[in-house]
Amino acid sequence: SQKIEQNSEALNIQEGKTATLTCNYTNYSPAYLQWYRQDPGRGPVFLLLIRENEKEKRKERLKVTFDTTLKQSLFHITASQPADSATYLCALDMGAAGNKLTFGGGTRVLVKP
Amino acid sequence: GAVVSQHPSWVICKSGTSVKIECRSLDFQATTMFWYRQFPKQSLMLMATSNEGSKATYEQGVEKDKFLINHASLTLSTLTVTSAHPEDSSFYICSAPGSGGAFKSSYEQYFGPGTRLTVT
Repeated sequence: SQKIEQNSEALNIQEGKTATLTCNYTNYSPAYLQWYRQDPGRGPVFLLLIRENEKEKRKERLKVTFDTTLKQSLFHITASQPADSATYLCALDMGAAGNKLTFGGGTRVLVKP
Repeated sequence: GAVVSQHPSWVICKSGTSVKIECRSLDFQATTMFWYRQFPKQSLMLMATSNEGSKATYEQGVEKDKFLINHASLTLSTLTVTSAHPEDSSFYICSAPGSGGAFKSSYEQYFGPGTRLTVT
């Protein structure tokens, strides 16, 4: 069966450290992978998009890797801040017409001062 | 830019009544919009793809006669939950694709703030 797995346990991290989140998928062949941030009671906000032939993408303190052999994406928040506390969702785009996204369950990050 | 609004932000209705939720793209046009449902501590589940000027495409298991979608203009899609029941209580979120950036092939989604529906 098709699955997208993100660590359902909350990630507690000290301010200034690097948070690393994983997104593993099975029985999918995404052409693109996207990461979103969602705050409680709000809609998700787009962060980064990476293509299947890209190994790594960066945006400010964020870094995403995409390994199609391992079927895994890693999402890093460097120099984390309390304001980074939120739930982070990965989403797969198969590249077919319509651009539908399939979301993982999300990982909650709590950055402690 | 790329702002999506939803109205209402929350609604309480009685079982058996219908509720309409609006999704608007404020500063861009969207021929396609997506409707999701999110239960507490769960991820977003795509319900349907709303297509301007044509019928919506529903995901497997979503009742199209219960969740009516109308995409009457390039900036407005509506979701009507008909004959609502308590199990329809959820957080409903819409999204619209962005410009696709440099590749024009995968599109980031711009999400609305969501509508909390409670059916009593």
